[in-house]
Amino acid sequence: DQQVKQNSPSLSVQEGRISILNCDYTNSMFDYFLWYKKYPAEGPTFLISISSIKDKNEDGRFTVFLNKSAKHLSLHIVPSQPGDSAVYFCAASAQDNDMRFGAGTRLTVKP
Amino acid sequence: GAGVSQSPSNKVTEKGKDVELRCDPISGHTALYWYRQRLGQGLEFLIYFQGNSAPDKSGLPSDRFSAERTGESVSTLTIQRTQQEDSAVYLCASRSPGGYTEAFFGQGTRLTVV
Repeated sequence: DQQVKQNSPSLSVQEGRISILNCDYTNSMFDYFLWYKKYPAEGPTFLISISSIKDKNEDGRFTVFLNKSAKHLSLHIVPSQPGDSAVYFCAASAQDNDMRFGAGTRLTVKP
Repeated sequence: GAGVSQSPSNKVTEKGKDVELRCDPISGHTALYWYRQRLGQGLEFLIYFQGNSAPDKSGLPSDRFSAERTGESVSTLTIQRTQQEDSAVYLCASRSPGGYTEAFFGQGTRLTVV
């Protein structure tokens, strides 16, 4: 039962360009959404979040967009840097604190 | 420590043996999650504890898997009669009450069943 889906297993972009990572969810009870970044041999680390009352949240080079009607969110990284190369996980949470993750997208930023 | 702590960091076990993985959450975090990541795959939900409520065990792949949590402290994930497909990194995360907060992950336990 995949409640959170990341349909692109990998993405490759050139340094300085924009990276766009996508995520879809099915459960309409989700009202808080998070992006995590994971390097090899480390646990995921929190990157940015958005609540369902907003449609955009920006933090430096990272912006998350939420389209509730489409049950879709995206993470934009601009400009992309080689150090951004990692696996990015989308997560969704409901009021009861249940939290589910997508399968992840491996981002490679080429110098 | 201030973060989520998992032990052991690595575990190699023989097929058929039982293993126990431990997670020490951040103090005060009422929510605790277990996930696993098999090689080349995404994060797979296993179980979720929220305070004193009954845990959500819907992600446990078989009855060989079980988990316990004492109050709002340590959790243990037990895998009985391990099989090679259980090889994965097992990740624990904890989260403070309130809902609109991030979860913090431990470094994970890499389990290898030989």
